[in-house]
Amino acid sequence: DSGVTQTPKHLITATGQRVTLRCSPRSGDLSVYWYQQSLDQGLQFLIQYYNGEERAKGNILERFSAQQFPDLHSELNLSSLELGDSALYFCASSVDATGELFFGEGSRLTVL
Amino acid sequence: EDKVVQSPLSLVVHEGDTVTLNCSYEVTNFRSLLWYKQEKKAPTFLFMLTSSGIEKKSGRLSSILDKKELFSILNITATQTGDSAVYLCAVESGSNYKLTFGKGTLLTVNP
Repeated sequence: DSGVTQTPKHLITATGQRVTLRCSPRSGDLSVYWYQQSLDQGLQFLIQYYNGEERAKGNILERFSAQQFPDLHSELNLSSLELGDSALYFCASSVDATGELFFGEGSRLTVL
Repeated sequence: EDKVVQSPLSLVVHEGDTVTLNCSYEVTNFRSLLWYKQEKKAPTFLFMLTSSGIEKKSGRLSSILDKKELFSILNITATQTGDSAVYLCAVESGSNYKLTFGKGTLLTVNP
């Protein structure tokens, strides 16, 4: 158990809908990362927050947004969902913004 | 654009074999290279390498970095079925310490 908690574990929804994925980092970790993993693309970096501020942005679509709250938990919002958004979404945290990441178990999103 | 390429994409060996997994990279402002193991779900950290030529070792696993040739290798000796997993290489770069992952090497160890 990495100490990073993600909810929900599984989510099935329809195209055009909106979902929110939630992540609680390890106690004491200030940095939160979101990654998307699909079979053909591997782990794709979406966005990183450090102590409530956006630190780095990867290949995150405009339909996706995220934030980190004062209690350091983070949410990833995915809207106008398409079939291609079906993937495993990982949250990871680290003490600072560098080095070893601790990954949650992921949220598996299926868009039908 | 930062690039991390792993090879081979997949590998099947027998228990007891030794394997070498490769990771090459092209990034701006390299900071470190990390190896992760992904079994069923979440990747778990194995090594972090920042200096060339210094081997990191943990049990039967070892890794080394070559910053001149821009690659790293992960060695696993005396493989066991429990080593079956996807091994991910990631490179940390830039002023914001962005982490870019390769697509991974799927290792299958047969009894």
